[in-house]
Amino acid sequence: AQTVTQSQPEMSVQEAETVTLSCTYDTSESNYYLFWYKQPPSRQMILVIRQEAYKQQNATENRFSVNFQKAAKSFSLKISDSQLGDTAMYFCAFMKHSSATNKLIFGTGTLLAVQP
Amino acid sequence: NAGVTQTPKFQVLKTGQSMTLQCAQDMNHEYMSWYRQDPGMGLRLIHYSVGAGITDQGEVPNGYNVSRSTTEDFPLRLLSAAPSQTSVYFCASSYQAGFTGELFFGEGSRLTVL
Repeated sequence: AQTVTQSQPEMSVQEAETVTLSCTYDTSESNYYLFWYKQPPSRQMILVIRQEAYKQQNATENRFSVNFQKAAKSFSLKISDSQLGDTAMYFCAFMKHSSATNKLIFGTGTLLAVQP
Repeated sequence: NAGVTQTPKFQVLKTGQSMTLQCAQDMNHEYMSWYRQDPGMGLRLIHYSVGAGITDQGEVPNGYNVSRSTTEDFPLRLLSAAPSQTSVYFCASSYQAGFTGELFFGEGSRLTVL
């Protein structure tokens, strides 16, 4: 069975600084997808970034980038130039490749507070 | 752009009451699913559907029923609510099962069972 672990329940960062959120996972699958979702106080789950395990290049979306270490089963999220609007709960999630269920396995989340 | 719409957004029930959480999507997605979110546990899959007329159980299906009579709608039914079902419920959809693109989420429904 797959598991996703986020070991940082809460983090804080000053506006305009950089912060890294950690995520590790466990799987015996060789091909899979990893995601970071953002959940602001509005509760809406918003996809931040997506990484395909067979791609060695780390995914990047504007100020958001990941450090994907497949051998170490690590998938951290780096947020550069943090903004007040980045304040949210961040979830790391795993999905098997070509899953018949499209089931996402979520971590327990990291609450990020961006301070002015 | 409505996307995934959930109703109601908030609901309070007494133990033993029944209710239905509604979910509708206007993106012609074949795949729809329900998750529940509990403090300290992330989101867990309750039921899912890969198309009209086809449903299956997820990780935590007990106490919930679903049906999928149309592509657009995927209601979640609680037949006899229990305090353990107090949670935030999310409906999510994607183009089709096996498609590992974006899963689109609704805004969630907060349910309290007294």
